[in-house]
Amino acid sequence: ETGVTQTPRHLVMGMTNKKSLKCEQHLGHNAMYWYKQSAKKPLELMFVYSLEERVENNSVPSRFSPECPNSSHLFLHLHTLQPEDSALYLCASSYTSGDGNEQFFGPGTRLTVL
Amino acid sequence: GENVEQHPSTLSVQEGDSAVIKCTYSDSASNYFPWYKQELGKRPQLIIDIRSNVGEKKDQRIAVTLNKTAKHFSLHITETQPEDSAVYFCAASREYGNKLVFGAGTILRVKS
Repeated sequence: ETGVTQTPRHLVMGMTNKKSLKCEQHLGHNAMYWYKQSAKKPLELMFVYSLEERVENNSVPSRFSPECPNSSHLFLHLHTLQPEDSALYLCASSYTSGDGNEQFFGPGTRLTVL
Repeated sequence: GENVEQHPSTLSVQEGDSAVIKCTYSDSASNYFPWYKQELGKRPQLIIDIRSNVGEKKDQRIAVTLNKTAKHFSLHITETQPEDSAVYFCAASREYGNKLVFGAGTILRVKS
């Protein structure tokens, strides 16, 4: 599959569960991002990885833990989430230099926390 | 940090009319301003972007203008079509796209 893929597409979890979201990009990019999209709110940048190093953590609670094992894969580990964490979680990737900095988004994971 | 405000939150236009969406930003060091379109149930996709060394950019029916002094930029869609119906997000970044701060989005409805 081409572009940016995310799994699972839908996830329902209890507040005590531990789960992980996966993102994979097939575009040769060297930066990856996690965003949270809630209803009636702007897209919120959560984490930025550039060249596999975390360069941004926008005051995200520690119950969200990102992992970037290589430039093509990005994970978001979830544990003891709250109902207000229910949202669409979008992954994106881009180049980090030059003019080609368009961010390409994945289809998202719709997360529901019960 | 950067703050981006977007107006209006919803916009309804008749097919064939023009639509204008406006955004303001707070960080004068921001230098990259993309616009994303998100159709219902789909991922956001870049439709046009502008850099701070340019005042206007056009791509067929879509144009973006940037006023650095006033710190605002606008999306213009001419001859709107039903397939233009979507949520449009503006964004700003001071590092050519690495850390985008998004506006809240505009729901555009084109009535046929």
